[in-house]
Amino acid sequence: KQEVTQIPAALSVPEGENLVLNCSFTDSAIYNLQWFRQDPGKGLTSLLLIQSSQREQTSGRLNASLDKSSGRSTLYIAASQPGDSATYLCAVPNDSWGKLQFGAGTQVVVTP
Amino acid sequence: DAMVIQNPRYQVTQFGKPVTLSCSQTLNHNVMYWYQQKSSQAPKLLFHYYDKDFNNEADTPDNFQSRRPNTSFCFLDIRSPGLGDAAMYLCATRAENQPQHFGDGTRLSIL
Repeated sequence: KQEVTQIPAALSVPEGENLVLNCSFTDSAIYNLQWFRQDPGKGLTSLLLIQSSQREQTSGRLNASLDKSSGRSTLYIAASQPGDSATYLCAVPNDSWGKLQFGAGTQVVVTP
Repeated sequence: DAMVIQNPRYQVTQFGKPVTLSCSQTLNHNVMYWYQQKSSQAPKLLFHYYDKDFNNEADTPDNFQSRRPNTSFCFLDIRSPGLGDAAMYLCATRAENQPQHFGDGTRLSIL
């Protein structure tokens, strides 16, 4: 059974620093990996989707890498801003139906 | 423009009183999912639809049911809510090989 782990559970950085969020998964036979952002009391916003054939994906200040062989993905957020404060979750599909197995998330606080 | 819309945003019901949560989508995606997310936990899949084909997760309680009358709408029915069912309920949609799109969720409270 696929297990997804995110470390650390919480992270606090001063504004302007780069953020590095880690995600690991136990079964390397994944279709893709998705990173989400969740603000308090809200739903999930999709940030990046990396297909299994890709090594990385970029969108603005966000860059996500994928190393299937080691079962790891990293989300980098450059030059963090207070508006980046949120919980970040990674998820991988359990099967071809796209049923997602989530990590517990990393709660990020960016202080002004 | 909201593409996955969940109503209501907040729902309060009494212990044991049936409640229905709704989800609609404008994306015309054939797959729809319902997740349950308890405080500070990861979302947990309850069931999903591929078109009208319903797929229940093995550990989803019988208390939870779902209906999908057409492509755009999907409902989550909780027949007899218990205190442990208080959570955020998230609806998501997906087209093949595309990211899942989530609604803003419905936060359910049980009195």
